[in-house]
Amino acid sequence: DTAVSQTPKYLVTQMGNDKSIKCEQNLGHDTMYWYKQDSKKFLKIMFSYNNKELIINETVPNRFSPKSPDKAHLNLHINSLELGDSAVYFCASSLRGSSSYEQYFGPGTRLTVT
Amino acid sequence: AQSVTQPDIHITVSEGASLELRCNYSYGATPYLFWYVQSPGQGLQLLLKYFSGDTLVQGIKGFEAEFKRSQSSFNLRKPSVHWSDAAEYFCAVGGGSQGNLIFGKGTKLSVKP
Repeated sequence: DTAVSQTPKYLVTQMGNDKSIKCEQNLGHDTMYWYKQDSKKFLKIMFSYNNKELIINETVPNRFSPKSPDKAHLNLHINSLELGDSAVYFCASSLRGSSSYEQYFGPGTRLTVT
Repeated sequence: AQSVTQPDIHITVSEGASLELRCNYSYGATPYLFWYVQSPGQGLQLLLKYFSGDTLVQGIKGFEAEFKRSQSSFNLRKPSVHWSDAAEYFCAVGGGSQGNLIFGKGTKLSVKP
């Protein structure tokens, strides 16, 4: 059984388009995250949702909007895509309040903007 | 502010040789420390973690790491490297109020026959 899944795995689109990436976890976790990995492999937190409430919003352009319909899902919608948005986007989940802060990651979505 | 430094961008070792990947962190309290591995084109897999207790922690795939508070380090080791260990390795610190992880910039491991 897949713990954290993301769709699509690859996404190629043109500048100016709007796209969404979906994430689902079946671990019973209550916190989900979006990370961006740039071309130099650097991973940086973008958003975090705990029980459907946004608890992190790093300096991310407002073209990026996370949406969490329930604790098991956290989608990422991106408007007016730009070349610089090309990256790998990882979803992760954890159980907030536990002693671990251990996060489980999805396989990633490689976004290419042309 | 929390930060993680992985001083080595790229390391090459021979198959069967020992490995040590360095990680230094900056954190005000007792840190939660992690090592993740990312194989080419894959997601991140947790190798091991440290929260408290024994400072030498064992992980999957034969890896271990030692927490040294005095040096603010959490180095990853493996006694004998296999070709399948070639990957990118990330050290991370967690435990902030938001529960997010702060990652180092990664160390790419290459294994030569």
